[in-house]
Amino acid sequence: ETGVTQSPTHLIKTRGQQVTLRCSSQSGHNTVSWYQQALGQGPQFIFQYYREEENGRGNFPPRFSGLQFPNYSSELNVNALELDDSALYLCASSLGGTGVGGETQYFGPGTRLLVL
Amino acid sequence: GESVGLHLPTLSVQEGDNSIINCAYSNSASDYFIWYKQESGKGPQFIIDIRSNMDKRQGQRVTVLLNKTVKHLSLQIAATQPGDSAVYFCAERGIASGGSYIPTFGRGTSLIVHP
Repeated sequence: ETGVTQSPTHLIKTRGQQVTLRCSSQSGHNTVSWYQQALGQGPQFIFQYYREEENGRGNFPPRFSGLQFPNYSSELNVNALELDDSALYLCASSLGGTGVGGETQYFGPGTRLLVL
Repeated sequence: GESVGLHLPTLSVQEGDNSIINCAYSNSASDYFIWYKQESGKGPQFIIDIRSNMDKRQGQRVTVLLNKTVKHLSLQIAATQPGDSAVYFCAERGIASGGSYIPTFGRGTSLIVHP
């Protein structure tokens, strides 16, 4: 186990609704990254938070937003849900840094979101 | 555009055999590569990494080979066990808009180990 936890484990929403997913990072880690993993695909980077600030963003629309709290836990918010948002949402924690090895990310089990 | 991809979507082996999972990358500027294992219902798990100034790196029962000439990466698993059954992803280090390092994942290869 990585020590990264996510909640809820599963979630069903309808199109147009909003959802908040939560992640607790591994102890000592100050960086949280969020990924979307569609069925049969590799994880796609959404964004990363480092010390409570967004530190990088992938190719996702603004309705995907996030927060990081002083204890380094994080939330992913998705507004105006679309059917294509159905996926496994993964968070990964790491110890921020620019050296090789600083990128080693520890993933949580994910939240499976189904949008109907 | 630049991408990381895998040659084989599914690999079936017998327990005890050696497994080789391949990956092609197209970004010649990539300098760091990572292999992840993802079991059903779990998030990806770091296995091994390699820098572009290396050709080979070994871990416990796993070896990663990097051929920069043909932009090819492979993961070798020795004496494959049923517990190795999972989806394996190669990823290259990319740089996000804020300057942070993030892995860019390929599609994945499903490894099935038959007892």
